[in-house]
Amino acid sequence: DAKTTQPNSMESNEEEPVHLPCNHSTISGTDYIHWYRQLPSQGPEYVIHGLTSNVNNRMASLAIAEDRKSSTLILHRATLRDAAVYYCILSSAYNTDKLIFGTGTRLQVFP
Amino acid sequence: KAGVTQTPRYLIKTRGQQVTLSCSPISGHRSVSWYQQTPGQGLQFLFEYFSETQRNKGNFPGRFSGRQFSNSRSEMNVSTLELGDSALYLCASSLVQGATEAFFGQGTRLTVV
Repeated sequence: DAKTTQPNSMESNEEEPVHLPCNHSTISGTDYIHWYRQLPSQGPEYVIHGLTSNVNNRMASLAIAEDRKSSTLILHRATLRDAAVYYCILSSAYNTDKLIFGTGTRLQVFP
Repeated sequence: KAGVTQTPRYLIKTRGQQVTLSCSPISGHRSVSWYQQTPGQGLQFLFEYFSETQRNKGNFPGRFSGRQFSNSRSEMNVSTLELGDSALYLCASSLVQGATEAFFGQGTRLTVV
């Protein structure tokens, strides 16, 4: 399974944009890039996913590098509720039900 | 629409005992996956079921098993409990196998003493 590398922690102030990076240099052509987050005392929550093109949804945007070896999750305006551990995960298009979580990035948001 | 429901929420067991955890997926979802979360190992994939068949399995000993019923509800069983099995066990459901969005329950916190 291809691995991802994320910073252990990041900080942001409320109302500011946050860019959470993820490196996945061994990604294969059929791997989807997923982002999940886990708020304190809760199960993980789906944020966004993509394959090759940049993606936007109501929660966030996903920017994927042209060579697909890295991606960035963008929270456009951080809120206190966005404080969580963010996981960048790769899964094969043929095996999306098997999510291999890394250590994730713990995001702190300050008022 | 109700989310993924896991029961019980908390459980304390003694070493050597066995335990069964239950997961009710979102109505209409047919794929159920199980994960173990510990402070040391993080979130680890246990297994995945679809249409009552195990489709994927993680790297866990045979003491960990599961099953899925015709109504898509799933159970996981851990036999001969060890102290290291203390963890948060999470269940996730997806609409179909290969769906790109999984919905997680709040988990069952198992403590082995």
